[in-house]
Amino acid sequence: SAVISQKPSRDICQRGTSLTIQCQVDSQVTMMFWYRQQPGQSLTLIATANQGSEATYESGFVIDKFPISRPNLTFSTLTVSNMSPEDSSIYLCSVEAGYGQETQYFGPGTRLLVL
Amino acid sequence: RKEVEQDPGPFNVPEGATVAFNCTYSNSASQSFFWYRQDCRKEPKLLMSVYSSGNEDGRFTAQLNRASQYISLLIRDSKLSDSATYLCAVDSGGGADGLTFGKGTHLIIQP
Repeated sequence: SAVISQKPSRDICQRGTSLTIQCQVDSQVTMMFWYRQQPGQSLTLIATANQGSEATYESGFVIDKFPISRPNLTFSTLTVSNMSPEDSSIYLCSVEAGYGQETQYFGPGTRLLVL
Repeated sequence: RKEVEQDPGPFNVPEGATVAFNCTYSNSASQSFFWYRQDCRKEPKLLMSVYSSGNEDGRFTAQLNRASQYISLLIRDSKLSDSATYLCAVDSGGGADGLTFGKGTHLIIQP
């Protein structure tokens, strides 16, 4: 499976500010995704990061709040904008295994606390 | 996105016992099914994919029941190291990307 890294691993931010999370993969992958896991909850898909085009957002998530970049097949960023305490969560990127399989592998996550 | 439901537990099981838990899904168009394991403060790690014919990997057996729309995970001869949260994940079907996850079943293996 691909090796996935995320930066930062954790951060504490003030409300109203923005944080950009980076996801780097050690090989080219077609599909990259961003998920959120709020305390005590399961993972919720935020969006699919499309290379060369705008991300595809799930219901309840909008580009103004969670802008995503995907400049190439190994890298993506997720920005959490105008943060509030409700955005405190773990943010995870994932990649699809490829070769027609929908198996996904996850990065280590970014633990965000908004004060 | 449709729902994926799991019994949150916790399941408290003595070491060496067999434990099984199910996951139900509502989207009949789903085609791909997975079990992930998540340790505290860690990312989910793929445990196994679930195939129509069922599949086994060592002490772990996964099965799919399309008619009743559930998948199951059986763990035999449980070890202390099996203590974790087990998440089931289901694709959205219809060509949509990404997975829908259940909230997870918390398993505690007791010595």
